[in-house]
Amino acid sequence: RKEVEQDPGPFNVPEGATVAFNCTYSNSASQSFFWYRQDCRKEPKLLMSVYSSGNEDGRFTAQLNRASQYISLLIRDSKLSDSATYLCVVILAGGTSYGKLTFGQGTILTVHP
Amino acid sequence: NAGVMQNPRHLVRRRGQEARLRCSPMKGHSHVYWYRQLPEEGLKFMVYLQKENIIDESGMPKERFSAEFPKEGPSILRIQQVVRGDSAAYFCASSLLSLDRGNGYTFGSGTRLTVV
Repeated sequence: RKEVEQDPGPFNVPEGATVAFNCTYSNSASQSFFWYRQDCRKEPKLLMSVYSSGNEDGRFTAQLNRASQYISLLIRDSKLSDSATYLCVVILAGGTSYGKLTFGQGTILTVHP
Repeated sequence: NAGVMQNPRHLVRRRGQEARLRCSPMKGHSHVYWYRQLPEEGLKFMVYLQKENIIDESGMPKERFSAEFPKEGPSILRIQQVVRGDSAAYFCASSLLSLDRGNGYTFGSGTRLTVV
């Protein structure tokens, strides 16, 4: 089983749509959780951190369910500029694993007019 | 206030040659991480270095790959006797703290290695 699993998509949605991505992780010792965004052939960039209490940043909402080892990202009112690959990322706790990002394979989103 | 600088941006090597990828972390950052992204795949951790020390190389292939982060100068990822399967994007990230929670990382633009 992969350490971090995502539905690779692709998701093709019209502008203005709401889209949700899911991610599961296998190691219950995972401590920190993030969503990154990667545009074609570019470096990944942090979109937002994910907390158990849930957090929102404009049109983006992230949720963490530790019991189910599940992370989600909701994008409301999709824009053309949201087209990208969304990467689910976790960090294990402790030891030399601290600071090492473990990436999912990414979910491709295409927003069309 | 430059970010993480990687060079070259693109590198073409023939099979059997050596590839050297360089990464200069953000100013003040002493922790460097290398990741590899094979075509159509996610990023995979390779190695974590601090100045003059390799802390975690659990993601490095056992042969042909090496990394260093000297006291002076950039971090270097070295691939000897490259093969076609080494063709990938190699990203470097740096952080200020070793116990970084992940939201303090900055990635470089990557080096795209093509082996012909």
